[in-house]
Amino acid sequence: ELKVEQNPLFLSMQEGKNYTIYCNYSTTSDRLYWYRQDPGKSLESLFVLLSNGAVKQEGRLMASLDTKARLSTLHITAAVHDLSATYFCAVDTAHDMRFGAGTRLTVKP
Amino acid sequence: DTAVSQTPKYLVTQMGNDKSIKCEQNLGHDTMYWYKQDSKKFLKIMFSYNNKELIINETVPNRFSPKSPDKAHLNLHINSLELGDSAVYFCASSQELAGRAEQYFGPGTRLTVT
Repeated sequence: ELKVEQNPLFLSMQEGKNYTIYCNYSTTSDRLYWYRQDPGKSLESLFVLLSNGAVKQEGRLMASLDTKARLSTLHITAAVHDLSATYFCAVDTAHDMRFGAGTRLTVKP
Repeated sequence: DTAVSQTPKYLVTQMGNDKSIKCEQNLGHDTMYWYKQDSKKFLKIMFSYNNKELIINETVPNRFSPKSPDKAHLNLHINSLELGDSAVYFCASSQELAGRAEQYFGPGTRLTVT
């Protein structure tokens, strides 16, 4: 059974700081997604990572994928309040689709 | 234009009732999904469906049934509602293209069973 683990589950950080969210998964997959969810809202696609070594950047967020380690990271650079949200990774195999539990990020002034 | 829409946005009903949630996508995608998000924000896939195959998460009670009148719609019908069914239900769609299939989510339906 495909398992996806995110950590940390809760992250409180100050504006201007850097931090990384980790996403580990249990079976071989070449497709990993990162989504953002604001409170009371739907999920918005941030990144699609399709191959080993893939790196995508958008603003202060950068995502990477290491398929050999079965690990993806979402790095936050110089956090701002607008990044406060819950971030989910999701892994897609031929037979299954699983989301991580989500990382609730709060950026404080 | 809303890419993935759901109705209703809020649904309050009593235990034992039968209810449906509608989902429509105008993206031309060939696969649609239903997810349940519980109070702890955990997302669980319930169904995925395209015109070839319905995949059911084996943990989903058979009181839940997807119904697809056409490629652009996947409705969720729930029989004999229980308190534990209270959650936010999201519909999503995707299209397999160049090896990627990111999902586009609807706004969600908050179901409260009393």
